[in-house]
Amino acid sequence: DQQVKQNSPSLSVQEGRISILNCDYTNSMFDYFLWYKKYPAEGPTFLISISSIKDKNEDGRFTVFLNKSAKHLSLHIVPSQPGDSAVYFCAASVGSNDMRFGAGTRLTVKP
Amino acid sequence: KAGVTQTPRYLIKTRGQQVTLSCSPISGHRSVSWYQQTPGQGLQFLFEYFSETQRNKGNFPGRFSGRQFSNSRSEMNVSTLELGDSALYLCASSLLIGGGLNTEAFFGQGTRLTVV
Repeated sequence: DQQVKQNSPSLSVQEGRISILNCDYTNSMFDYFLWYKKYPAEGPTFLISISSIKDKNEDGRFTVFLNKSAKHLSLHIVPSQPGDSAVYFCAASVGSNDMRFGAGTRLTVKP
Repeated sequence: KAGVTQTPRYLIKTRGQQVTLSCSPISGHRSVSWYQQTPGQGLQFLFEYFSETQRNKGNFPGRFSGRQFSNSRSEMNVSTLELGDSALYLCASSLLIGGGLNTEAFFGQGTRLTVV
């Protein structure tokens, strides 16, 4: 069962614009959420996280928003850069239990 | 410091065979988790080892097994390979079990397994 869903397999934006990647989850027990970025031939790298006690976490150009009532998570990248082109995975876990990942969204930032 | 090392990088096996993949975590990390990545399915959790004990397990058949050694290195074994087992297998290491609440997991480059 897909407890974490990324319904958009791909997204294309212009350099300098905002990229918004979305993620939905079904398990209301999830209390920790993360975003990972993956380049081809490399393993995923941690990007940003948020716990369920917050609704926003910001780190430079990256901001993650959490809407618990809607069970929705989003990652905003502002401004988008060509080097941001990668596959982005959202992940969720209940405490320290196993992490569930979405299928990923391929972001392409055009110069 | 050295990152997470997975060997081999590429592997081709035939149906029915078995395979063993290896993962060396970052020095000092005691937790190793294994994931399977396939197109459309994203990353699916296989299992997590901490201090040589399996602590968490995903929804995979018993053909998938693993172990962790005293130096935290981990191996994953898949027996009676099926075509659908073709995937990228990633391992991740972290300081604490489940990556903790404020630490993240560091991934290796993965082992690309092709079953023919």
